[in-house]
Parts: sequence; structure tokens; C-alpha cells
Amino acid sequence: GAGVSQSPRYKVAKRGQDVALRCDPISGHVSLFWYQQALGQGPEFLTYFQNEAQLDKSGLPSDRFFAERPEGSVSTLKIQRTQQEDSAVYLCASMRPNTEAFFGQGTRLTVV
Amino acid sequence: KQEVTQIPAALSVPEGENLVLNCSFTDSAIYNLQWFRQDPGKGLTSLLLIQSSQREQTSGRLNASLDKSSGRSTLYIAASQPGDSATYLCAPHSGGGADGLTFGKGTHLIIQP
Repeated sequence: GAGVSQSPRYKVAKRGQDVALRCDPISGHVSLFWYQQALGQGPEFLTYFQNEAQLDKSGLPSDRFFAERPEGSVSTLKIQRTQQEDSAVYLCASMRPNTEAFFGQGTRLTVV
Repeated sequence: KQEVTQIPAALSVPEGENLVLNCSFTDSAIYNLQWFRQDPGKGLTSLLLIQSSQREQTSGRLNASLDKSSGRSTLYIAASQPGDSATYLCAPHSGGGADGLTFGKGTHLIIQP
């Protein structure tokens, strides 16, 4: 595709439910980032992949958060046993190393 | 750890004015710096990318400057239009991982018709 695609655009989950958020990066982009953005704040780093290798997951807020990119393209961010504080917009970005980053439209997660 | 500050936090001006948005960052060891705009409920749209070896980058009515050694970048918007209303974010890029792209809280800009 022409850009970074994220799905679903909106997700409402009941507290305690597991969710999976998908990111389709731009073809050929080696680097992939996940960010979490709370209302009125800038994006906060969650995790970083170079191809299929997860090189940094220091931003994941708890062990309920898990990300993978098994074939070095599509990535999935999974949140287990969702809690209200997980409500946010989750953004995915891809790039070639040290070049321009491109973001998807994000997934707005609401935990009720 | 890289920290980014954007000033002002919010700005509301009449249409037609020229604007300057400021970005400062604490770690000058960056590869490049990128400016984005974010419309409500949307993702980030890339506006300009300045490499660390560059001082300036221009795209239409937008001009971004970079003073890497002092940890500062400015985004200049000429002849502002209501369609420029958005949140503007700068992100210094220090490589992969947590310092790959670091964001501040942005400048929320409103251009009054």
C-alpha cells in the first residue's frame, strides 16, 4: 500500500478483555515503532522493531503488553486483560533507517 | 534520555499572520529532526525532515531551521490559513529504540478566519 495502515481504527473493549491491534507498514521499511498517545499529549514510545527483531521494548507499560513482527512486515500489538488506563490512541510508524518516518491513522482504544 | 519542549503550547491568531513555533531538545546527538502536524482524531502527517547536516528545509509556506548544537528547531509558517489549524509536533531522531523519535506535547494552533 501507499502508506502505513492500522486496523481497527476504533476498538471498544470491556475491562479484562484481550485486544490485538494491527499495523501494516510501508513495503520495504525496516524500522517499525509503536507509540501510545493520551489525550492532549504527544506520542509516547512503546516498542521498536528492526525487521523481525524487537530491539527495544522499554516503553511497554506492563507485561500485559506484547508486540510481534514475525516476518518483518506486519506487526501486532496485543494487550491482555485491558484496563481503563489503557484507553488511548495507539500509533504505528515505519521508516527506512534514519530517514523520514510515516505514521498510520492510529487505533483509538476505549476500555469500558 | 532525550526530552523535547515545544513553545508555545497553544496559539490562536488571525488568518494571514506569519508564525514561529519553537522546539528544543536536550540531546544534540541526533541524525535528523522531523516536524509533523496532527489533526484531531488523526495520525501524524510528516511536514518536513531536516538532516543533522542541514540548517534549513522548506516546503511551500513552511520553513524549518535546525541548530543542532544548541538543541533548537523552529517551524516558520508564512501567511497562515484556517486550514493550518492543527497540533504541530517536532521529533528529533537519535536512532532506533526509545530515542528513535521523541515527541513533546506539541503546539496547538488555531487560525481564525
